[in-house]
Amino acid sequence: EAQVTQNPRYLITVTGKKLTVTCSQNMNHEYMSWYRQDPGLGLRQIYYSMNVEVTDKGDVPEGYKVSRKEKRNFPLILESPSPNQTSLYFCASSLWQVGGSTEAFFGQGTRLTVV
Amino acid sequence: DAKTTQPPSMDCAEGRAANLPCNHSTISGNEYVYWYRQIHSQGPQYIIHGLKNNETNEMASLIITEDRKSSTLILPHATLRDTAVYYCIVQPMDSNYQLIWGAGTKLIIKP
Repeated sequence: EAQVTQNPRYLITVTGKKLTVTCSQNMNHEYMSWYRQDPGLGLRQIYYSMNVEVTDKGDVPEGYKVSRKEKRNFPLILESPSPNQTSLYFCASSLWQVGGSTEAFFGQGTRLTVV
Repeated sequence: DAKTTQPPSMDCAEGRAANLPCNHSTISGNEYVYWYRQIHSQGPQYIIHGLKNNETNEMASLIITEDRKSSTLILPHATLRDTAVYYCIVQPMDSNYQLIWGAGTKLIIKP
């Protein structure tokens, strides 16, 4: 089954304790992205990757890091989490298509609380 | 900023067709119209997309006006499980790694 898998689904952590949210897709997609969703602000892109070893900042990258060492994985790293990073996070992947456009597949989300 | 405008909320009776409008008056020739929905706090789910022509799949139909400045998503026989936030997004060709999300339309299906 084609899917994007995020782990963990729920996480409560303390300020300053480094954490990683994993994301894996089994569709051989080139593009992968991370979004955060906050009430009243909608989905905002944190980072995206167009392929292995190619990453770039989205709209709200501060406080986050990513890496793309393998095509299927795109972890989101919070080196020193702060309470304002409490949010619902989504990973997404999509296929690159010459002269066309394809849909994004989303993970089920990770609800992060930083206290 | 989002390049689309949608009503914040709509109601529809179960079994009836739900018609969700979207304005995208600044859309350019190489941009697709995409629709996604998000049920409660789950990951957004792709519904349908189109460029110029009307499109239909097993979930919905997409009607795009001739000038491409607006579109309508049609759920032909809405069920309670169709209650969700529906997002209309314009997406440039060859750059589907950046989706700009608006606030969407909260569709409530009533029994």
